[in-house]
Amino acid sequence: DSGVTQTPKHLITATGQRVTLRCSPRSGDLSVYWYQQSLDQGLQFLIQYYNGEERAKGNILERFSAQQFPDLHSELNLSSLELGDSALYFCASSVAPLSRYEQYFGPGTRLTVT
Amino acid sequence: SQQGEEDPQALSIQEGENATMNCSYKTSINNLQWYRQNSGRGLVHLILIRSNEREKHSGRLRVTLDTSKKSSSLLITASRAADTASYFCATAPPRGTTDSWGKLQFGAGTQVVVTP
Repeated sequence: DSGVTQTPKHLITATGQRVTLRCSPRSGDLSVYWYQQSLDQGLQFLIQYYNGEERAKGNILERFSAQQFPDLHSELNLSSLELGDSALYFCASSVAPLSRYEQYFGPGTRLTVT
Repeated sequence: SQQGEEDPQALSIQEGENATMNCSYKTSINNLQWYRQNSGRGLVHLILIRSNEREKHSGRLRVTLDTSKKSSSLLITASRAADTASYFCATAPPRGTTDSWGKLQFGAGTQVVVTP
């Protein structure tokens, strides 16, 4: 158990809908990262937050947005969902934002868009 | 695009044998990390090797890094059935670059199957 929690575990929804994925980092970790894992794209970095502020952005679509709240939990919002958005979404956390620190991954949310 | 590429894509061995997988990357790094993922679950951090290190050990794991060749290898000795998983290398950009905030780039992974 990494100490990172993600809800829900599974999500099945229809195209065009909007969903929110939630992540609670490990106690004491200030930095949160979101990744998308799909069969064709592999594991892709989406976005990173540190202590409430966006720090780095990766291949995140404009239909996706995220935020980190004062209690450090983070939410990833996916809207106007398409079939291709079906994937495993992981949240990870680390004590500090720099990439020389290991990241602790949550169990993931499996999103299926039908 | 992915920074790291693992080789082989898949590896099947018997318990007790060693498993070796390689990772090649394209640009300068601050460090390289290896992660393990059991089927459909979250990634677990295994080991981090910095760009000024050449070799690192952790239990049955041995990682080497050759920055001149932009490559790394992960060796799992005396493998067990529980080592069955996908293994990913991830590279971290050098300090001082705009990407240094924590943006790890993962390779496609090596799928390892260890049979009893």
